[in-house]
Amino acid sequence: GAVVSQHPSWVICKSGTSVKIECRSLDFQATTMFWYRQFPKQSLMLMATSNEGSKATYEQGVEKDKFLINHASLTLSTLTVTSAHPEDSSFYICSTRPPAGDGEQYFGPGTRLTVT
Amino acid sequence: SQQGEEDPQALSIQEGENATMNCSYKTSINNLQWYRQNSGRGLVHLILIRSNEREKHSGRLRVTLDTSKKSSSLLITASRAADTASYFCATPTSGTYKYIFGTGTRLKVLA
Repeated sequence: GAVVSQHPSWVICKSGTSVKIECRSLDFQATTMFWYRQFPKQSLMLMATSNEGSKATYEQGVEKDKFLINHASLTLSTLTVTSAHPEDSSFYICSTRPPAGDGEQYFGPGTRLTVT
Repeated sequence: SQQGEEDPQALSIQEGENATMNCSYKTSINNLQWYRQNSGRGLVHLILIRSNEREKHSGRLRVTLDTSKKSSSLLITASRAADTASYFCATPTSGTYKYIFGTGTRLKVLA
């Protein structure tokens, strides 16, 4: 069964509005989750690392004030795209890794965001 | 860019044939992973190979790792139409659990 869920699976919003995407770890508690963005026919680009109980760490070039990340519990991380613009339209995927292991990550099914 | 590169970018083969994809990376690693992504879906973990391993098998998959050349290959034997997907390699950034994904290979298996 699924290890990681995301909600919603797709969303369409108007330019200027904010959109929240949820990522849930279903099988284990995750102190760390990762958020990726994927443009059509391109690879995944890591946006940020979500840390439970502390601030997220963002990759270079990712605006932290635009992509708000909250990791309020050990099973839930949220990504809010604030004041969305058409160029934010993308596929957003979260992942998590079990506390013990070699680093294998489990990915959510992704959320397709379209900003009109 | 730290992103790894994969080749070919796209591959089209007949069902039953073998498919080979290659991945090159830039930094020293302790493991490398391969993932599959069906169109518009999340990623599925295929196999993890550690830096002290040279070859690993899982069903119809065979992965090799050459740390001296900073490269890995994924072989899918006796391919099926259901293998049609994009395949990515991923390597960890030094000392972290953050993974960098390769550019991906889009595989199409024709029935």
